[in-house]
Amino acid sequence: QQQVKQSPQSLIVQKGGISIINCAYENTAFDYFPWYQQFPGKGPALLIAIRPDVSEKKEGRFTISFNKSAKQFSLHIMDSQPGDSATYFCAASISGNTPLVFGKGTRLSVIA
Amino acid sequence: DSGVTQTPKHLITATGQRVTLRCSPRSGDLSVYWYQQSLDQGLQFLIQYYNGEERAKGNILERFSAQQFPDLHSELNLSSLELGDSALYFCASSANLLSGELFFGEGSRLTVL
Repeated sequence: QQQVKQSPQSLIVQKGGISIINCAYENTAFDYFPWYQQFPGKGPALLIAIRPDVSEKKEGRFTISFNKSAKQFSLHIMDSQPGDSATYFCAASISGNTPLVFGKGTRLSVIA
Repeated sequence: DSGVTQTPKHLITATGQRVTLRCSPRSGDLSVYWYQQSLDQGLQFLIQYYNGEERAKGNILERFSAQQFPDLHSELNLSSLELGDSALYFCASSANLLSGELFFGEGSRLTVL
């Protein structure tokens, strides 16, 4: 049973464009939603995270949008750059106190 | 550099064999997690230890076992290896049980031939 569903599986975006990755979750007890970024040969690293008391969180070019009623959250990368090319994972947990459940990942390629 | 060290980085072995993967968490981190990454399944949680005690169990096979030692390093033991066990195995650590952020090592790539 996949608790966090992520789409698309892969994404190609032009440099300067907006990259959008979506995730949906099933467990309404989840209340911590991070996004991790993974470069080839490296482990995932925390990019940005949100808790459901806010609908949006922005850090630089990265924004998480959260829709509690729809049980969905998304990552928006503004002004996408070739250096953003990586695999992105959404995840969820309960109060940061349970192991993170990850989506299957989205491979983003930003082309010039 | 996340501060989490995993060894070995690469491992090639045969079916039926047993291997041990080692993880040293960030200095001071009490919680260690093991994840398996494969192309079609993404990051699958295997097991978590906190200060030496098993805290949570995920999709870990009975052929696999883990432990966390008093110095907080952890080992993941994989036995009776099958072709399907070929994957990247990640260790991650966090400061405590309420810290949502995980710090991942660079992984151990296991190839079973």
